Amino acid sequence: QKEVEQDPGPLSVPEGAIVSLNCTYSNSAFQYFMWYRQYSRKGPELLMYTYSSGNKEDGRFTAQVDKSSKYISLFIRDSQPSDSATYLCAMSLHTGGFKTIFGAGTRLFVKA
Amino acid sequence: DTGVSQDPRHKITKRGQNVTFRCDPISEHNRLYWYRQTLGQGPEFLTYFQNEAQLEKSRLLSDRFSAERPKGSFSTLEIQRTEQGDSAMYLCASSQGQTQPQHFGDGTRLSIL
Repeated sequence: QKEVEQDPGPLSVPEGAIVSLNCTYSNSAFQYFMWYRQYSRKGPELLMYTYSSGNKEDGRFTAQVDKSSKYISLFIRDSQPSDSATYLCAMSLHTGGFKTIFGAGTRLFVKA
Repeated sequence: DTGVSQDPRHKITKRGQNVTFRCDPISEHNRLYWYRQTLGQGPEFLTYFQNEAQLEKSRLLSDRFSAERPKGSFSTLEIQRTEQGDSAMYLCASSQGQTQPQHFGDGTRLSIL
């Protein structure tokens, strides 16, 4: 069993929809949780990072962490075609620490 | 733009050849990481440096792989006697200390003929 599980999709939604992306994990010691966006043939771009449980909002993006359920989510409001990309969840014992584990990524397509 | 820079962007080589990749981190970042990413997978940790010291290596990093970070600035990743299974995207990331998130370059795509 992988430490971090993420549905690979693809997920296809119409423009303007609310998108929900999720990851589950098995290691309760993870403390920091990140979401990265990766366009084709590009490196991952940091979108959100949170410490422990709770919510964090940045513009159209909201990250949620539920440590009791070992479940994290990223919500994208008013989705745009430019949001079409692969979204990677990542988690670590210390943000920037060596043991950062990534999910396999969910491919998102937002149709105009 | 002063983000993480990687060179070359794409490397095509024959099996058995040696290849070397370079990473220039964000200038004030003291931590530098190498990852490998294959199609449909997330990045997998290979190794990391704090300044010039290599502090951790994954079991994925066989003895054909070596990484250096002289003077704690840029880093190089060398693969000797390349094999078909080495074909992947090699990503570099950097961070300012242990409590800050990692920022990635756009990677070097390695294709083994």
